[in-house]
Amino acid sequence: ETGVTQTPRHLVMGMTNKKSLKCEQHLGHNAMYWYKQSAKKPLELMFVYNFKEQTENNSVPSRFSPECPNSSHLFLHLHTLQPEDSALYLCASSQERIQETQYFGPGTRLLVL
Amino acid sequence: AQTVTQSQPEMSVQEAETVTLSCTYDTSESDYYLFWYKQPPSRQMILVIRQEAYKQQNATENRFSVNFQKAAKSFSLKISDSQLGDAAMYFCAYRTYNTDKLIFGTGTRLQVFP
Repeated sequence: ETGVTQTPRHLVMGMTNKKSLKCEQHLGHNAMYWYKQSAKKPLELMFVYNFKEQTENNSVPSRFSPECPNSSHLFLHLHTLQPEDSALYLCASSQERIQETQYFGPGTRLLVL
Repeated sequence: AQTVTQSQPEMSVQEAETVTLSCTYDTSESDYYLFWYKQPPSRQMILVIRQEAYKQQNATENRFSVNFQKAAKSFSLKISDSQLGDAAMYFCAYRTYNTDKLIFGTGTRLQVFP
């Protein structure tokens, strides 16, 4: 499998649930990103990891907890989410952190009830 | 603050015709990158074309070309010989040269009619 993959593609969860989103990149990249895409709003950068180290947290609430065990995998752990957190969550990767092109996965459509 | 504005929420074009999507941005930086991404219904965000601000020549990728006007801070995308598969959301994005933070516009939904 090539490119950037994300699982699950769809997720419905209650506000008291705990779930995790997974992203895997098969491109040999060193930087990975989480974005949030809400309806009628621009994509928002959430987190950046470079060589497994978090380099940016874009004022994201603590109910979102990222984890990057290695350069190929990125997780987003979710707990006690709110309905307004319903969105498409996109993962991306790039060769290096300061690299012009980010390659995106297909996203996880999250619905919080 | 850097911002990206796409003033056309929706556009439509006849198959085989040409369409231009608009994008303007605001920045005080002189070195940066600009991108057009395509997001079809499958949701995979695909890079269409990119432009380095220091290059005066407009980028071209097959049927896709840009009109980069640095002084006007304008970065439009022209799609020639439109195909049904071009139907998607198109996002304009900006990134300063020395950061990894992509700033996106709100997108333009392009419909292609046979």
